[in-house]
Amino acid sequence: AQTVTQSQPEMSVQEAETVTLSCTYDTSENNYYLFWYKQPPSRQMILVIRQEAYKQQNATENRFSVNFQKAAKSFSLKISDSQLGDTAMYFCALRRGGSEKLVFGKGTKLTVNP
Amino acid sequence: DTEVTQTPKHLVMGMTNKKSLKCEQHMGHRAMYWYKQKAKKPPELMFVYSYEKLSINESVPSRFSPECPNSSLLNLHLHALQPEDSALYLCASSNTGTNSLRNTIYFGEGSWLTVV
Repeated sequence: AQTVTQSQPEMSVQEAETVTLSCTYDTSENNYYLFWYKQPPSRQMILVIRQEAYKQQNATENRFSVNFQKAAKSFSLKISDSQLGDTAMYFCALRRGGSEKLVFGKGTKLTVNP
Repeated sequence: DTEVTQTPKHLVMGMTNKKSLKCEQHMGHRAMYWYKQKAKKPPELMFVYSYEKLSINESVPSRFSPECPNSSLLNLHLHALQPEDSALYLCASSNTGTNSLRNTIYFGEGSWLTVV
C-alpha cells in the first residue's frame, strides 16, 4: 500500500517571500512518480511539478522547486517569490509506475498575503 | 489551459432526474478517469478506463454509470442520485509508460453537481 502525508493543513506567506510545503510518503516500490498539484478556488486541479523517483536531481519549474529526499521518503515543495495567484490548496501525490491510481495527500491550504 | 474539457460546468438535478457529465481529451491518452471531490478533501477515484475498457471501479454505487464511447470521450451517467452525491466531479486522462510524462495525470476543470 502507498500513503502520502501532508502534515501542514494550512500555511500563509507574505507576497514575494519563500514558503516550503512538506510531504512524506510511503511505498515499497522502486519505480514511482511524485507530483504536486495546485487547486485554486476555481477548483481546477493544475499540475505544478513532477519528479521521477529514479532521478536524483530535484525538479524545478520557474518559481517552484522540490527537495526530493528518497531515503527519507520526503518530497517538499518550495515556492519562491510568492504571488497572490499562488493562493490555493496544494496536493502532494504519488503514482506507482504503470499503475492507474494516483494517491493523494490531504492537502495544504496556502494563503499568500499582500 | 487544460486539454481535458468537461461539460457542463454546473449541474443541478433532482433525485429522480437522469443526467450525464461529459469529458473529452485530445492528447491521445489511453486512460481516462472519473474522480469525486468533496469540499476541503482530496479527489477520490471512482472509475478508470484503459484502452476504452473499464479497468477500475472503486465500489461506486450503481446510480453512477460510466461510459467510454471512444478513446477521446468519457461520460458519467447519473440517475436517482442523493443529496450527498453533491460534489465536484473531475475527469482526468493520462498515458502509461516508463517516463514521468506518460505517468502524469491531467485534470479537467470539473463539473459542479448539486442534487436537490
